[in-house]
Parts: sequence; C-alpha cells; structure tokens
Amino acid sequence: DGGITQSPKYLFRKEGQNVTLSCEQNLNHDAMYWYRQDPGQGLRLIYYSQIVNDFQKGDIAEGYSVSREKKESFPLTVTSAQKNPTAFYLCASSERDLSYNEQFFGPGTRLTVL
Amino acid sequence: AQTVTQSQPEMSVQEAETVTLSCTYDTSESDYYLFWYKQPPSRQMILVIRQEAYKQQNATENRFSVNFQKAAKSFSLKISDSQLGDAAMYFCAYRSYDISSGSARQLTFGSGTQLTVLP
Repeated sequence: DGGITQSPKYLFRKEGQNVTLSCEQNLNHDAMYWYRQDPGQGLRLIYYSQIVNDFQKGDIAEGYSVSREKKESFPLTVTSAQKNPTAFYLCASSERDLSYNEQFFGPGTRLTVL
Repeated sequence: AQTVTQSQPEMSVQEAETVTLSCTYDTSESDYYLFWYKQPPSRQMILVIRQEAYKQQNATENRFSVNFQKAAKSFSLKISDSQLGDAAMYFCAYRSYDISSGSARQLTFGSGTQLTVLP
C-alpha cells in the first residue's frame, strides 16, 4: 500500500534534548511538508521541501530543523531551542508543490516534553 | 496574509440528517483553491473536497457538497445523510499562488469544527 508513515507514534523528551521525528513516503511525491497541530488551532506549517536537497521555512520554523537527502524521507528535528515543543506533528506529501494538489498526510507523532 | 475562520468549534447532527459547516476566508486574490479536510479520531487528515475559485459550479463528492460564495468569501460544507463515520474534526483550508512566479503559497487552515454524529 502506498502512503506516508511517521514514527514513533508517541515520543517523550526531556527538556534540553533534541529529538528527530521520522517521515517516510512511498508515493513518489516530490513535495513534503511538516505541520504542527495544537489544541483549538489549525495546522501550522513548520518546513516544506519541493524537491530533494531543498527545503524552505514555514511560519513557525524557529527551533526546528529538517533535511531532505532522499526523495522518500523528510525527518524533522525538534531542537532544545524550541520553547514549547509539546504538540502533535503531522507530515504530508504531494505530487508536486502546486496550489491545487492534494496533500496526503501521515498518522502523526505526539511529542510530549517532560 | 490570508486568514481562514471557522466560527463553529463544535457541531452535532443526528444520524441520517444533514449538517452544514461554515467557513469564511479573507483574501484579495482572485484565483485560489479551497479545501475541506477531515481528521477522524485516528488523527490522520483526509481530503474531503476541493474547489477552485474560478469554477462557478459547486464541488460535490457523494454525500459531501460545498456552497461556494466567492463574493461573500464563504465556503461551507454540507454533509447529507450523516453517518457515524462522519464524526471527526473538519478543517477548511485555503491555498493560492504567486502570480508572477507561479509558486504555490502555503496551505492556510482554519481552527476546525468538531462534528459529533448522534445515533
């Protein structure tokens, strides 16, 4: 089955630690995205990548970093510089980064800072 | 910047009845795309329906249809014959593109409406 996988489903982090959230897709999509979801709010864009070895910041990139070394993978690192990292993180992909294209989402990772 | 407003944090509907979820947006652009996404309890977002601003005809997908009022900047979602599986958080989203470069702008989401379906 084609789709997007995110791991782990739940992640706990101590303050001051960096953690990396995994996102893999086998849809052969060029574009990939990371969103953050907080209660009572819509999704907010952290980073996106239109093609391998290229990525751009979204609205809330501070305290996060990404890489796109392979087409199918777009890992997100939450660094200690992110002041309020507890949230639900969603990864998405689309065939190309065009405004009419559907974005397909993964099942998400719930990150909790202890 | 574009904003998307969903003024109904929660809605409920009786099974087999019809419900309409509201969405308004603010933009000065003439061409853009509007989306409704569904987030069930599994939390995996799924596209429900999509509408291009230049198309006069309202989009429909089986029991889901939209009422797109471009002048009023309104994009409501109607769910007919509601089913228990329709219970979810529904997000309205807007996306446009830069006319000069053709580059897509980011997808902007509303805050969501939690729909409960009563048996």
